[in-house]
Amino acid sequence: GDSVTQMEGPVTLSEEAFLTINCTYTATGYPSLFWYVQYPGEGLQLLLKATKADDKGSNKGFEATYRKETTSFHLEKGSVQVSDSAVYFCALSDNTDKLIFGTGTRLQVFP
Amino acid sequence: GAGVSQSPSNKVTEKGKDVELRCDPISGHTALYWYRQRLGQGLEFLIYFQGNSAPDKSGLPSDRFSAERTGESVSTLTIQRTQQEDSAVYLCASSPAPTGRETQYFGPGTRLLVL
Repeated sequence: GDSVTQMEGPVTLSEEAFLTINCTYTATGYPSLFWYVQYPGEGLQLLLKATKADDKGSNKGFEATYRKETTSFHLEKGSVQVSDSAVYFCALSDNTDKLIFGTGTRLQVFP
Repeated sequence: GAGVSQSPSNKVTEKGKDVELRCDPISGHTALYWYRQRLGQGLEFLIYFQGNSAPDKSGLPSDRFSAERTGESVSTLTIQRTQQEDSAVYLCASSPAPTGRETQYFGPGTRLLVL
């Protein structure tokens, strides 16, 4: 069945460092791909999404490109801030919008 | 506007008891989903409702789990004869309609602890 694999955490960075969180997927069809974020004490919220191959999702300085050839959707940010500390979940959806999530990656950014 | 709400926010119960969790989706959202997040793990899909169609129950882990939805409004997830492995955060989400591209809006979750 469909699945999502993302890098183990925690990822620990200093402020203004470059961030990459790897995400790869396995799917039989052409899923949409998502990054959701859970800030401390808050609910899960959408960070960005891409609905077809070669699309780039972006929000709050984060970017991810839907790469069909490598079945990947890696999350990147050029300069992280302390306020980016959170748990990041990569996910895919089928045509019912049911989400299949990765296990989550905790990001800790220190000043 | 109001987001997805869930109640209770926390629930502690004894093994063997039944629990009922409630979700109020965003008004007008026809699709509603339940997920479970066990400690240190990702979110697992449990069940999906879309309008008046038969629900997709493919993610329910056992017959102790059931869920209902009244029209396009409130949903309840019931766990009968709870076990310690049921301890988790139960998340509800809603979306306008399933297109394969929609964003799901999540509630704050119900944290269930089975002693």
